[in-house]
Amino acid sequence: DGGITQSPKYLFRKEGQNVTLSCEQNLNHDAMYWYRQDPGQGLRLIYYSQIVNDFQKGDIAEGYSVSREKKESFPLTVTSAQKNPTAFYLCASSNRGRWQETQYFGPGTRLLVL
Amino acid sequence: KNEVEQSPQNLTAQEGEFITINCSYSVGISALHWLQQHPGGGIVSLFMLSSGKKKHGRLIATINIQEKHSSLHITASHPRDSAVYICAVRAGTSGSRLTFGEGTQLTVNP
Repeated sequence: DGGITQSPKYLFRKEGQNVTLSCEQNLNHDAMYWYRQDPGQGLRLIYYSQIVNDFQKGDIAEGYSVSREKKESFPLTVTSAQKNPTAFYLCASSNRGRWQETQYFGPGTRLLVL
Repeated sequence: KNEVEQSPQNLTAQEGEFITINCSYSVGISALHWLQQHPGGGIVSLFMLSSGKKKHGRLIATINIQEKHSSLHITASHPRDSAVYICAVRAGTSGSRLTFGEGTQLTVNP
């Protein structure tokens, strides 16, 4: 089955710790995205990548980092610089990285701070 | 004021009712998306439209570009339609990304 997988489903972070959220897709899509969802707010774009080995900051990139070494993988690291990391994180992909395209979403990772 | 406003925020209906969720936006757009977020958190894209009307099963999406308004209709609603429905727009300017509404929580009771 083609789709997007995210792991883990739940992730706990201690103070001062970096954590990495996994996102893998087997849809052969060029573009991948990371969004953050908070209660009562719309999804906000953290980072996106339109092609391998290239990525751009979204609207709330501070405290996050990404890499795109392989077409199918786009891991997101939440660093200790992110002071309010508790949120639901969604990864998505689209065929060619045009914003009017349909984006396909993963099941999400819920990050909680201990 | 948000660029994308959805109404209502919460909607409760009885099974079989006709449901309308509204989305208004403040900028010129090139595309509007309707998404469905299931209780577990996963999101599914329902429609992408730039004009007119689209229909898929019991779901109908319409857009009025002049009025900067879109509606999502659900006919013969069912408890399995209970979800958060999200509107997202892409502005018409070059390089614009998606801006998301806060979502409408729909609960359909049997």
